[in-house]
Amino acid sequence: DSGVTQTPKHLITATGQRVTLRCSPRSGDLSVYWYQQSLDQGLQFLIQYYNGEERAKGNILERFSAQQFPDLHSELNLSSLELGDSALYFCASSAGLAGGRGDTQYFGPGTRLTVL
Amino acid sequence: GQNIDQPTEMTATEGAIVQINCTYQTSGFNGLFWYQQHAGEAPTFLSYNVLDGLEEKGRFSSFLSRSKGYSYLLLKELQMKDSASYLCAVRDPGGSYIPTFGRGTSLIVHP
Repeated sequence: DSGVTQTPKHLITATGQRVTLRCSPRSGDLSVYWYQQSLDQGLQFLIQYYNGEERAKGNILERFSAQQFPDLHSELNLSSLELGDSALYFCASSAGLAGGRGDTQYFGPGTRLTVL
Repeated sequence: GQNIDQPTEMTATEGAIVQINCTYQTSGFNGLFWYQQHAGEAPTFLSYNVLDGLEEKGRFSSFLSRSKGYSYLLLKELQMKDSASYLCAVRDPGGSYIPTFGRGTSLIVHP
């Protein structure tokens, strides 16, 4: 158990819909990262938040957005869903953001999103 | 940009030793990670190398050569439960210190 929690574990929805994925980081970690993993793409970085502020963006679509709240939990919002958005979505957390062994990422169990 | 290469799949026998290689090309370097991921589960942290040399942790060891852009993960006394995907990830200061992950090596351990 990494200490990172994610809900829900599974989500099944229809095209065009909007969903929210939730993540709570390990105790004491200030950075939260979101990743998408599909069979043909591997683990793709979406976005990072540090202590409530957006710090880095990866391959995140405009239909997707995220935020980190004062209690440091984070939410990833996916809207206008398409079939191709079906994937595993992982949240990871780390202590800080400036490199070093202390910034090792620890992953949550993931949310499996199925868009029908 | 970054380029990380790993073999797609490897097979090995229970009790044996296997070496999973990772080569990378990055503009900068601030550490290399190895993660283990069982199908449908979260990646779990195995090792971190930032200096050249070998880091040993139980049955698993990880080696780094920064000049060659090369790392390997060595798994000894293989067990069936070691069947998983092994992900190599490189952190580049030019990439906001966000690790870039390779596609992973699927290791199949058979009796």
